[in-house]
Amino acid sequence: EAGVAQSPRYKIIEKRQSVAFWCNPISGHATLYWYQQILGQGPKLLIQFQNNGVVDDSQLPKDRFSAERLKGVDSTLKIQPAKLEDSAVYLCASSLGQYSNQPQHFGDGTRLSIL
Amino acid sequence: GDSVTQMEGPVTLSEEAFLTINCTYTATGYPSLFWYVQYPGEGLQLLLKATKADDKGSNKGFEATYRKETTSFHLEKGSVQVSDSAVYFCALREAARQLTFGSGTQLTVLP
Repeated sequence: EAGVAQSPRYKIIEKRQSVAFWCNPISGHATLYWYQQILGQGPKLLIQFQNNGVVDDSQLPKDRFSAERLKGVDSTLKIQPAKLEDSAVYLCASSLGQYSNQPQHFGDGTRLSIL
Repeated sequence: GDSVTQMEGPVTLSEEAFLTINCTYTATGYPSLFWYVQYPGEGLQLLLKATKADDKGSNKGFEATYRKETTSFHLEKGSVQVSDSAVYFCALREAARQLTFGSGTQLTVLP
């Protein structure tokens, strides 16, 4: 089966600019996640969707980050305006459902550098 | 809240050496436990999982046993290869809550 697709792979922007990332999950996966992975750390959940509804966005900096999954399939994550501390890899993952024993499958991520 | 503590790296081993990466967790309920591996420039790949106490997850020669009494899920491999060089993440998930990761352990295997 095709894996989780993310684009772009790399993005370099200046602080205060805006940026958007795109994710296409594995076909049939109802649950979609966006993670932020800062260098040397484990991924941190930003937002979790179940179909097109938000399940958990408690760690999303809502003053600058937004995400949507309008048709319950693809998703976009946006940062506006970007800050230096947003430099990280942004990972998208999907799973069949929300049960704890259902593993999450990750894309290769988008590496964001803020100048 | 939930947390995962991993053995700090980096870990450097010679090829065919025995590998152990320690992982302990704190959780209020009965989580599922996972090991993920991340190769350079790639996303995380699920390596193995265990969903209840005393379960043993295994894959590609790696093993980990869910030990509820010691709240541990240590990763082991009897004979590592150069191709096993990567970052390894221990993680847990309770019910429908978020996946909580450890900070990762960098493994380098020398020929």
